Amino acid sequence: GAGVSQSPSNKVTEKGKDVELRCDPISGHTALYWYRQSLGQGLEFLIYFQGNSAPDKSGLPSDRFSAERTGGSVSTLTIQRTQQEDSAVYLCASSLTPVQGGTQYFGPGTRLLVL
Amino acid sequence: AQTVTQSQPEMSVQEAETVTLSCTYDTSENNYYLFWYKQPPSRQMILVIRQEAYKQQNATENRFSVNFQKAAKSFSLKISDSQLGDTAMYFCAFMRLNSGNTPLVFGKGTRLSVIA
Repeated sequence: GAGVSQSPSNKVTEKGKDVELRCDPISGHTALYWYRQSLGQGLEFLIYFQGNSAPDKSGLPSDRFSAERTGGSVSTLTIQRTQQEDSAVYLCASSLTPVQGGTQYFGPGTRLLVL
Repeated sequence: AQTVTQSQPEMSVQEAETVTLSCTYDTSENNYYLFWYKQPPSRQMILVIRQEAYKQQNATENRFSVNFQKAAKSFSLKISDSQLGDTAMYFCAFMRLNSGNTPLVFGKGTRLSVIA
């Protein structure tokens, strides 16, 4: 079946603008994760969803970052009032439960550039 | 908290040769999974191999195998018969096993270049 998809592939925005990044997980995967990959920080965990709820938001770097998941499927990561340090690749992954395997499969990422 | 360390920022290998990438981790957990992911220039993170900590047998996937030393908290990746398409960033990752899902903790990565 189809893998994890993310849109847009690339996004250029001006400092102070809001952006929305979208993730469409593998069908049937109950867990969905957001990570950020930047040159200085490597791969950082941001937030994960189990169904529509987010048990772990510990990685969100500031209150400008928020995410939601609706219908247990598509998720949107929103960054408000973007800053230049938000420039990074945002990766989404999905998985089944640990009992069912638990391996996370990644999308192609969204490269965000804040000017 | 768990940490993952990849001590080799860059490595190179001749085509058809064998290369080993190192990974160590620190955890007080007993139940966990370990992974190696490959990220080529296309940016897509691709699963290479996975190891369950409760399994003593080392995982293998075709040309890829691991040397899992649980007591030493070491998890190295061996690539045999290296191919040009193996050129990529390789990330070692740790996932704590829980009743629910948990996020991955990644190392900083090793950039592997396969030379013709």
